[in-house]
Amino acid sequence: DGGITQSPKYLFRKEGQNVTLSCEQNLNHDAMYWYRQDPGQGLRLIYYSQIVNDFQKGDIAEGYSVSREKKESFPLTVTSAQKNPTAFYLCASSSGQATETQYFGPGTRLLVL
Amino acid sequence: GNSVTQMEGPVTLSEEAFLTINCTYTATGYPSLFWYVQYPGEGLQLLLKATKADDKGSNKGFEATYRKETTSFHLEKGSVQVSDSAVYFCAPGKTSYDKVIFGPGTSLSVIP
Repeated sequence: DGGITQSPKYLFRKEGQNVTLSCEQNLNHDAMYWYRQDPGQGLRLIYYSQIVNDFQKGDIAEGYSVSREKKESFPLTVTSAQKNPTAFYLCASSSGQATETQYFGPGTRLLVL
Repeated sequence: GNSVTQMEGPVTLSEEAFLTINCTYTATGYPSLFWYVQYPGEGLQLLLKATKADDKGSNKGFEATYRKETTSFHLEKGSVQVSDSAVYFCAPGKTSYDKVIFGPGTSLSVIP
């Protein structure tokens, strides 16, 4: 089955710790995205990548980092510089064309200990 | 850049009631328009889309028509069910000038 997976489902971060959220897709999509969702809020774009080895900052990139070494994978690191990381993180992918749907993973909920 | 205004929630309806969720947008160019749905604890999934003016997207009894003249893409369903309880996001798609953006979401609760 083609799809997009995220792991873990829940992640706990200690103060001062960096944590990495995994996102993998087997849809052969060029574009991948990371969004942050706070309770009762819409989605805010953190980073996006339209092609391997290239990525751009979204609206709230501070305190986050990404890499895109493989087409299938787009991991997100939440660094210690992100002072309020508690949120629901969603990864998505698309073909990159203007008419195309974004396909979302099931999300990772990050909590601070 | 693009922006989207979506009806404030939460919306509570009785089963079999008529649903409208308003969505208007501003964009440079003519983006495809999408409605996504998010069930509790899950990611978003596409509900329907329209790629050009006057197109009607439909799925699972939901419909929305791309109105270029009013820059709107209102979501409607004639008879809602309890299983439609979710958060609905309006999303103008990518253009040559801007990336996809998502509205703030409208929470819908349908009570028996």
